[in-house]
Amino acid sequence: GNSVTQMEGPVTLSEEAFLTINCTYTATGYPSLFWYVQYPGEGLQLLLKATKADDKGSNKGFEATYRKETTSFHLEKGSVQVSDSAVYFCALSERGTNAGKSTFGDGTTLTVKP
Amino acid sequence: DTGVSQDPRHKITKRGQNVTFRCDPISEHNRLYWYRQTLGQGPEFLTYFQNEAQLEKSRLLSDRFSAERPKGSFSTLEIQRTEQGDSAMYLCASSPTGTSGGVDTQYFGPGTRLTVL
Repeated sequence: GNSVTQMEGPVTLSEEAFLTINCTYTATGYPSLFWYVQYPGEGLQLLLKATKADDKGSNKGFEATYRKETTSFHLEKGSVQVSDSAVYFCALSERGTNAGKSTFGDGTTLTVKP
Repeated sequence: DTGVSQDPRHKITKRGQNVTFRCDPISEHNRLYWYRQTLGQGPEFLTYFQNEAQLEKSRLLSDRFSAERPKGSFSTLEIQRTEQGDSAMYLCASSPTGTSGGVDTQYFGPGTRLTVL
């Protein structure tokens, strides 16, 4: 079956620090990869996605590159802000008949201090 | 586009009672998904629909759980004879089909938080 493993949190950084959250996956097919963000008291929001090897997804200063050879999709941001404090979920989505059915990691809680 | 909505946002019930949740997807989206999220975990897939057809159910979905999407628009998730272990956030998501958005991009609702006493 499919699985997603995220680095364990919580992660605490100072404002303007560099962020990396590691994500690796196991999939039977060739999935699409996603990062979602969940702010306190809110639902999941799509942050970025990549649909094929070597694609880079980016949004709001966050980036992640689909690395098929290492089955990874690490999330990075060069300079975090207090407003980035949230829970981040890595996910994969199947293709074909089950397209959209997603498998999520357990989430990484990020706290950014001023 | 008003996004995916879910009702109620919070539900507290006693063990053994039945509960029903509703999800209204983004209007043009053909696919609708239900997930369950417990504290400290990522969402777990429960079931999904293509229009009114239920295409797959997870083994997590015991016989006490049933989901419907009768007209291919809104969906309901019912839990019968609730147990304390059912306490979780129940998330609904929808996705478009076709080439514009891609069938694998899901848009999530705010969730319904269920507490079983």
